[in-house]
Amino acid sequence: AQKITQTQPGMFVQEKEAVTLDCTYDTSDPSYGLFWYKQPSSGEMIFLIYQGSYDQQNATEGRYSLNFQKARKSANLVISASQLGDSAMYFCAMGGFFMDTGRRALTFGSGTRLQVQP
Amino acid sequence: EAGVAQSPRYKIIEKRQSVAFWCNPISGHATLYWYQQILGQGPKLLIQFQNNGVVDDSQLPKDRFSAERLKGVDSTLKIQPAKLEDSAVYLCASSPLGGANQPQHFGDGTRLSIL
Repeated sequence: AQKITQTQPGMFVQEKEAVTLDCTYDTSDPSYGLFWYKQPSSGEMIFLIYQGSYDQQNATEGRYSLNFQKARKSANLVISASQLGDSAMYFCAMGGFFMDTGRRALTFGSGTRLQVQP
Repeated sequence: EAGVAQSPRYKIIEKRQSVAFWCNPISGHATLYWYQQILGQGPKLLIQFQNNGVVDDSQLPKDRFSAERLKGVDSTLKIQPAKLEDSAVYLCASSPLGGANQPQHFGDGTRLSIL
């Protein structure tokens, strides 16, 4: 079974500063993927960034980077130069990929609400 | 490309009534998922289809929930009869078949309120 833990229900950050959102995970799968999604108040789920369990380098996508520490089972999201539009819920999720079924359903954490202050 | 389409956007029904949600995935996406997101929680998988076959429905309350994906394209999720605890947002997502790094693309969801 897969489990995602996000221990920060809410976070505040000043505009233009960097912020780190924590995510720890647990799984017995040898191969897995870690995803971060953003959910604004309008409700849609927006994909931000992906990290594969065998990727040697931390993933980056524009202002988003993923601090992946496999031994600690953590996959923290770092947002640099925060903008007011970054205010939203952020979900960490894990997907397993199986060669026989190709199953990649996501297990989500409980989310962190980020508020960017001017 | 067009995104995942869901309808209706909102639905209000009384308990014990029935309701159905519709989803049309991104063209060419073989895998389709239905998630339930209760207020204040992360989405939880209800059912996953690959083409028109069910891959995982282990968390689907089968006494009241049913889903189908005819012809391997669009899908319908039904609740009958609805209970108060079914109040939630129902999210549909799709992804291509191959590539572990392929993200799931989500629709805007259907917000269901049970009175």
